Amino acid sequence: EAQLVESGGGLVQSGGSLRLSCAASGFTFSSYWMSWVRQAPGKGLEWVANIKQDGSDKYYVDSVKGRFTISRDNAKNSLYLQMNSLRAEDTAVYYCARRVVGATKGGYFDYWGQGTLVTVSS
Amino acid sequence: QSVLTQPPSVSGAPGQRVTISCTGGSSNIGAGYDVHWYQQLPGTAPKLLIFGNINRPSGVPDRFSGSKSGTSASLAITGLQAEDEADYYCQSYDNSLSGWMFGGGTKLTVL
Repeated sequence: EAQLVESGGGLVQSGGSLRLSCAASGFTFSSYWMSWVRQAPGKGLEWVANIKQDGSDKYYVDSVKGRFTISRDNAKNSLYLQMNSLRAEDTAVYYCARRVVGATKGGYFDYWGQGTLVTVSS
Repeated sequence: QSVLTQPPSVSGAPGQRVTISCTGGSSNIGAGYDVHWYQQLPGTAPKLLIFGNINRPSGVPDRFSGSKSGTSASLAITGLQAEDEADYYCQSYDNSLSGWMFGGGTKLTVL
């Protein structure tokens, strides 16, 4: 079964940077779109970014465009999220998720990691 | 404020049936994009519950069912059990915002 394990979260000052990682196993990583989804404390889910199988297409929610970069290393079965110019409102648990496309119109997230907490102090 | 609107909370007694609505618009559900549902138990990661409006992944009990009509979708849970107490989120794509959107979430309380 697919497994996703995030790491790299922590406490960072406003304006700082952090790089999240997600280690994938149990499936052919290079065959799937991958995503990051976040959840602020006590709040709902918010999609953050998607990346295509070969890394050639990337999409971001408007609030992180120009500050966050999603990337992947298929040889290492790993997904990354480079977060720069962090703000207090970026404080959240960040989940790595596998995205399924083609079977439905728009796609969905079928496997999720346990999440890693990012806290941005002002 | 999400483009997909869910009731903040619903409740029901064990054994009862509850439904959770997800109301969108012409740029998401009404545009033909499919709706998916996730269950988030307290302190855990979300789990896929329904995909493609009506389909259950392997392992999800048939007490959970989904439907979609027009600009709305619904999740129904029959034979409520204490273990169903969780937050439930709908999700779809919005072509106006060019993003994958979640509803605000609904907290289910089993009385």
